[in-house]
Amino acid sequence: AAGVIQSPRHLIKEKRETATLKCYPIPRHDTVYWYQQGPGQDPQFLISFYEKMQSDKGSIPDRFSAQQFSDYHSELNMSSLELGDSALYFCASSPAEGAERAGANVLTFGAGSRLTVL
Amino acid sequence: AQSVTQPDIHITVSEGASLELRCNYSYGATPYLFWYVQSPGQGLQLLLKYFSGDTLVQGIKGFEAEFKRSQSSFNLRKPSVHWSDAAEYFCAVGPRGYQKVTFGTGTKLQVIP
Repeated sequence: AAGVIQSPRHLIKEKRETATLKCYPIPRHDTVYWYQQGPGQDPQFLISFYEKMQSDKGSIPDRFSAQQFSDYHSELNMSSLELGDSALYFCASSPAEGAERAGANVLTFGAGSRLTVL
Repeated sequence: AQSVTQPDIHITVSEGASLELRCNYSYGATPYLFWYVQSPGQGLQLLLKYFSGDTLVQGIKGFEAEFKRSQSSFNLRKPSVHWSDAAEYFCAVGPRGYQKVTFGTGTKLQVIP
């Protein structure tokens, strides 16, 4: 079965640089979520999109932005990177409203993108 | 606001022993409840979920969890642990709809021979 695809899997950047992470949700999933997991931490919600519109916002820094495109893939853009941005970034997707009985609100996670800021 | 508490940061069990991981939640209505497992450097895999109905839910890999409304708990259990179960386990809570789930701080499980 198709899963959530994230790229790149690993990324190394220097302070003040910019990074872009990509997420390709499961087919027919219209909602995408981004989470950040620091070392030894639980995943923290950043932002989510439903039908290409931002649906919820968490602890996402102003230096970060994200969007969902017409093909439902999403990109997380991070600028002016700081050492503290080093983390595992997860994307998750969930199915459309019509599939609520089948498990809307059940997030399927990608393998994550590990960002290291030097 | 919804929140999840996992009181045990680390748990060590012997292979073949039973396991119970604790999870307490705080939410204004009946939430959706989940358990996810994360192996080192890996993504989050859904073990099981509770939406409604039978309060004892079965998941993958032989795990089960019981929803107890009176205790606001959703503890994860496994009758006999295997070495491959060593991982970090996250309890999560979420409302109905297209909103985020909130994770607990996780419980790291170590399995000894």
